[in-house]
Amino acid sequence: NAGVTQTPKFQVLKTGQSMTLQCAQDMNHNSMYWYRQDPGMGLRLIYYSASEGTTDKGEVPNGYNVSRLNKREFSLRLESAAPSQTSVYFCASRQGLSSYNEQFFGPGTRLTVL
Amino acid sequence: GQQLNQSPQSMFIQEGEDVSMNCTSSSIFNTWLWYKQDPGEGPVLLIALYKAGELTSNGRLTAQFGITRKDSFLNISASIPSDVGIYFCAGGTGTASKLTFGTGTRLQVTL
Repeated sequence: NAGVTQTPKFQVLKTGQSMTLQCAQDMNHNSMYWYRQDPGMGLRLIYYSASEGTTDKGEVPNGYNVSRLNKREFSLRLESAAPSQTSVYFCASRQGLSSYNEQFFGPGTRLTVL
Repeated sequence: GQQLNQSPQSMFIQEGEDVSMNCTSSSIFNTWLWYKQDPGEGPVLLIALYKAGELTSNGRLTAQFGITRKDSFLNISASIPSDVGIYFCAGGTGTASKLTFGTGTRLQVTL
């Protein structure tokens, strides 16, 4: 039982390049989330998926797209990377929508955009 | 977007000392959660609080859900070196899918 896994762990991009961050969970959770973490800012929600086939914007969605490929996988895509997207990205999953259910986090992807 | 105010931003303490940190908000939350993040890892849930006034312990950790539902605190007693990390509070509104996270308290423990 691996929990929430993320790939890659590290990535360096040039401005304008695109890439997809992958996330998978093996806990049969319904809800999945993408956050970014910047120094002194805590975690900010980019997009979330309440269930397979649905996605919604979070607090900072501009410059990102997501795909809930199936119940296990939720990917985050940067179409044209910008230096402002340099951050640590965390994927999380939760059994249901209510915050009464604990969110489980992956180990993160450290992205640098030059 | 809203962020929770968490204080202090950082703490340097000696092993064995007690630690206290808190989180305040201008909005009401139905749930307060406390997470710890070790270097290079994702946050891990420490304590969850579901009722105003609730006081919950998890080993050396104690957290309280403020009566006004706008604040919460976390205490760590008799700190040890493995307590080092960043502690985040998060507020939830129960039926919403989103958590609002605090800015974090960085804890350093010296021997």
